Amino acid sequence: AAGVIQSPRHLIKEKRETATLKCYPIPRHDTVYWYQQGPGQDPQFLISFYEKMQSDKGSIPDRFSAQQFSDYHSELNMSSLELGDSALYFCASSSQGAGTEAFFGQGTRLTVV
Amino acid sequence: GENVEQHPSTLSVQEGDSAVIKCTYSDSASNYFPWYKQELGKRPQLIIDIRSNVGEKKDQRIAVTLNKTAKHFSLHITETQPEDSAVYFCAARGDYKLSFGAGTTVTVRA
Repeated sequence: AAGVIQSPRHLIKEKRETATLKCYPIPRHDTVYWYQQGPGQDPQFLISFYEKMQSDKGSIPDRFSAQQFSDYHSELNMSSLELGDSALYFCASSSQGAGTEAFFGQGTRLTVV
Repeated sequence: GENVEQHPSTLSVQEGDSAVIKCTYSDSASNYFPWYKQELGKRPQLIIDIRSNVGEKKDQRIAVTLNKTAKHFSLHITETQPEDSAVYFCAARGDYKLSFGAGTTVTVRA
């Protein structure tokens, strides 16, 4: 069965650079969530989208933005990167109509040097 | 917003014994409570979930209970095995946000 696909899997950026993370949800899933997970930490909710509209917002810095496109894939754009942005970034998807199970992608490991 | 608290933060059990992890939530509108297992460097994997109209659910060695009145839910793992060693997260979902507890590191001693 198709799963949530994230790209890239690994990303190394320098301070003050920008990064774009991509998420392709499970087919027919209409909701996408983004999470940031630091070492030994729980996943911190950043932002979610339902039917291409932002549905909720968590602890997402102003330097970050995200959107969901017409094909339901989502992108997290990160600018003016800081060392503290180094983390695992997970995307999850679910279907509001068919149920609420949220399945996670394999994550993008971002390292800012 | 939703606040999920999870206890204990670490749990060490002898192989074959049971493990219990407890969580509380604050938002009475939350209606879906999944549990995730995460191994180091890997994605959280959904292992079991419960909805607000159900009090208990079981899947082989794993069971989850929910007390909506008290706003708490628990994960029970019986007959633990070494492969159960991982970090376990509880979560609560209202509308469009899945809020996680801080996680419990479970170690099963052989």
